[in-house]
Amino acid sequence: RKEVEQDPGPFNVPEGATVAFNCTYSNSASQSFFWYRQDCRKEPKLLMSVYSSGNEDGRFTAQLNRASQYISLLIRDSKLSDSATYLCVVNDPLTRGNKLVFGAGTILRVKS
Amino acid sequence: EAQVTQNPRYLITVTGKKLTVTCSQNMNHEYMSWYRQDPGLGLRQIYYSMNVEVTDKGDVPEGYKVSRKEKRNFPLILESPSPNQTSLYFCASSSRTGRSYNSPLHFGNGTRLTVT
Repeated sequence: RKEVEQDPGPFNVPEGATVAFNCTYSNSASQSFFWYRQDCRKEPKLLMSVYSSGNEDGRFTAQLNRASQYISLLIRDSKLSDSATYLCVVNDPLTRGNKLVFGAGTILRVKS
Repeated sequence: EAQVTQNPRYLITVTGKKLTVTCSQNMNHEYMSWYRQDPGLGLRQIYYSMNVEVTDKGDVPEGYKVSRKEKRNFPLILESPSPNQTSLYFCASSSRTGRSYNSPLHFGNGTRLTVT
């Protein structure tokens, strides 16, 4: 089983739609969670951290479900500029360097 | 401006010709790391460093070397590149050390390496 799993997509949605991605992780001891955004052939950029109580940043909402070991990202009112690959990132506290493990990403395409 | 700088952005080389990809950060971060990204496999960690003169293997260290003589620099060295090292490489840094769980990574803008 992969440490961090995401549906690769692509998710094709019209502008204005609401879209949600889930990501499952295997290590119940993980404590830090992030969503990164990556545009084609560019570096990943932090979109938002994910906190236990859930958190919101504008049109983006992140949730953590520890019992089921998944995190989610909800995007409301999708814009064309939201088209990108979204990477789920989870720490592995059992490693000496407290490694961050990246999912392979979910592709989102927003169309007019 | 706070940033991680990698050079070169693009590199085409031949099998066996030693090369170095440089990485420098100006944020005084202790933690630095190298990743490679291949289609369908996501980002895989090659090596990381928790501080000066402290380096450790990641998930795919074979064929690579690193050094951390100064806090700001973390070069990636390919002593004898092979075609299976053709990939997109990213350097990253963070203030996360030891038990500091919540610090994210800041990435350089990538180096696209082709080995023929």
